[in-house]
Amino acid sequence: AQSVTQPDARVTVSEGASLQLRCKYSYSGTPYLFWYVQYPRQGLQLLLKYYSGDPVVQGVNGFEAEFSKSNSSFHLRKASVHWSDSAVYFCVLSRNNYAQGLTFGLGTRVSVFP
Amino acid sequence: DPKIIQKPKYLVAVTGSEKILICEQYLGHNAMYWYRQSAKKPLEFMFSYSYQKLMDNQTASSRFQPQSSKKNHLDLQITALKPDDSATYFCASSQAGQGANERLFFGHGTKLSVL
Repeated sequence: AQSVTQPDARVTVSEGASLQLRCKYSYSGTPYLFWYVQYPRQGLQLLLKYYSGDPVVQGVNGFEAEFSKSNSSFHLRKASVHWSDSAVYFCVLSRNNYAQGLTFGLGTRVSVFP
Repeated sequence: DPKIIQKPKYLVAVTGSEKILICEQYLGHNAMYWYRQSAKKPLEFMFSYSYQKLMDNQTASSRFQPQSSKKNHLDLQITALKPDDSATYFCASSQAGQGANERLFFGHGTKLSVL
């Protein structure tokens, strides 16, 4: 069975500081990995995804993530956060297609303070 | 302007009753899904439909029945409600068959509280 672990339930950062959100996955096959974000009172939105190739993938709003097969990780980063980045971030694993369902982490709530 | 509409946003029900959660998508997608997020648990996949046909069902209880009257509708009927059914239910859609380019779009969710 596959699983996703986000060890940090909450992260607080100052505006302009860097951000890293950790994600570890467990899956015996080739993972399809995603980061989704949920802004207040909105549905989940895709930030970025990784299937293969360059382990560093770029997403929207300056976010990037790095895949590591050896560490079974897919950490999310942003060099300089803005207050509007306050949201809940979900690391997500897919087997091969959405019809079999996505596996979500618990999410990390990010609060950005001025 | 939301392209996936879930109704209602909030729903309070009594134990043993029956409710229907509505989901309509206006993205032209051919696949729709239901996910559930209970307190302190990750989002959990429930059902997937493609072209109005059930593709996968990860929900053990038959009390949860998806209903697809139109290609862009996937409602969720829940019978004999229990307090443990309290959760936020998310509807999602995608254009199936695009392989690595497939992307899931989510609605805002329906928060169900069973008393």
